[in-house]
Amino acid sequence: GQQLNQSPQSMFIQEGEDVSMNCTSSSIFNTWLWYKQDPGEGPVLLIALYKAGELTSNGRLTAQFGTTRKDSFLNISASIPSDVGIYFCAGGKKLTFGTGTRLTIIP
Amino acid sequence: DAMVIQNPRYQVTQFGKPVTLSCSQTLNHNVMYWYQQKSSQAPKLLFHYYDKDFNNEADTPDNFQSRRPNTSFCFLDIRSPGLGDTAMYLCATSRDRAGNRIITVEQYFGPGTRLTVT
Repeated sequence: GQQLNQSPQSMFIQEGEDVSMNCTSSSIFNTWLWYKQDPGEGPVLLIALYKAGELTSNGRLTAQFGTTRKDSFLNISASIPSDVGIYFCAGGKKLTFGTGTRLTIIP
Repeated sequence: DAMVIQNPRYQVTQFGKPVTLSCSQTLNHNVMYWYQQKSSQAPKLLFHYYDKDFNNEADTPDNFQSRRPNTSFCFLDIRSPGLGDTAMYLCATSRDRAGNRIITVEQYFGPGTRLTVT
C-alpha cells in the first residue's frame, strides 16, 4: 500500500523561527493536503494542493506540491505559540496520512 | 457555522459492552468517513459512505459497523469493544463534486470522540 513518510518527526524551535517540514510518498499523488491537529481535537485542514509545482499560501503557512508528484513541503514563517501541534500531510486515492511532525515551541 | 459534530466527546465503556458513537454534519456533504486514531499515530480509515453506498476498508475488523440513516448523520457501532479499541474516533466529511467517486477531495473533520475501553 501507499506509504507517506514525514520528516522531521519532531521539531523544537523558539518563537519567531521559521519551520520547514516535508512529506514523501512511495507513489505518485494527484492531491496533497496538510492538516494540523491539536491535542484532543480533530485535524484541521490547512492547505490543499492539486497541481504539480503548485505553491499555495495560507497566512504564514506556505505549501508546495513537488514536481515529481511524490513529495510536498510545508513552511511556517515567524512561528507563534499557537502553531504548536502535530502536522500531518495526506494524499492519495484513499487519503493516506503521513506519520506526522510534532512541533514544540521552546519558551 | 457549518460544521461536523461528534457526540459524545468522551466515552468510557466496558470490555464487550456495545457502544455507539455519533456524527452529524451541517455541510451537506455527500461523503462521510470514520477514522480510528491511536495515541501518537496517524488517523486510519475504517470505512466511508459515498451517499448511501457503504465502503469498508479491507483491514477493518468485523466488530466495527456503521449506519448512515440520512445525509446528515452517521453512526459508528462497536459490537464488542476490546481493550485494543481504545482510541480517538474521528468523523470526516467531503463533497465529491465531480462525481468521480474519488475521495481525496478536502475532508473536514469533527472534534473526535475519545473512547476508553476498560
